[in-house]
Amino acid sequence: ELKVEQNPLFLSMQEGKNYTIYCNYSTTSDRLYWYRQDPGKSLESLFVLLSNGAVKQEGRLMASLDTKARLSTLHITAAVHDLSATYFCAVDSNYQLIWGAGTKLIIKP
Amino acid sequence: GAVVSQHPSRVICKSGTSVKIECRSLDFQATTMFWYRQFPKQSLMLMATSNEGSKATYEQGVEKDKFLINHASLTLSTLTVTSAHPEDSSFYICSATGGVNTEAFFGQGTRLTVV
Repeated sequence: ELKVEQNPLFLSMQEGKNYTIYCNYSTTSDRLYWYRQDPGKSLESLFVLLSNGAVKQEGRLMASLDTKARLSTLHITAAVHDLSATYFCAVDSNYQLIWGAGTKLIIKP
Repeated sequence: GAVVSQHPSRVICKSGTSVKIECRSLDFQATTMFWYRQFPKQSLMLMATSNEGSKATYEQGVEKDKFLINHASLTLSTLTVTSAHPEDSSFYICSATGGVNTEAFFGQGTRLTVV
């Protein structure tokens, strides 16, 4: 059974700082997603990572995938308040998404 | 990305009544749709997977007679919460894919409150 572990679950940080959210998964998968969720809203797709070594960047967010280590990271550079949200990783398993618990990120001005 | 439209966004109903939530793919054919439930401060919980024209596959612990799913066309799936009770109050989210190994796109979610 595929399990997805995300950490930290909660992160409070100051604007301008850098930080990384980690997503570990337990069995082989070649497809990993990162989503953002604002309070009371649905999910917004951030990144789709399809292969080992994949790196994608959008603004202050950068995601990477290491399929051998079964690890993906979401790195936040010089955080700004607007990035406050809950971030989920999800791993594709037999055509279904297995979700991490989410990381609630609070960025203080 | 593709657009998935979910309605209503919010609904309040009385205990014992039924509520229907619609999920439409607007610019692609959704061969598979997923229905999730999300409790406050928790991750998404998959309720069921539906393929167009066939019966939905429910996850363990999800009552198929209570949560009726219909996926009659390639652009529409519905979730009906029958005889709703306050414990059914939750945030329900649908997602749709155009096929195997394709990205899932999410609806806006429906906040159901049963009073």
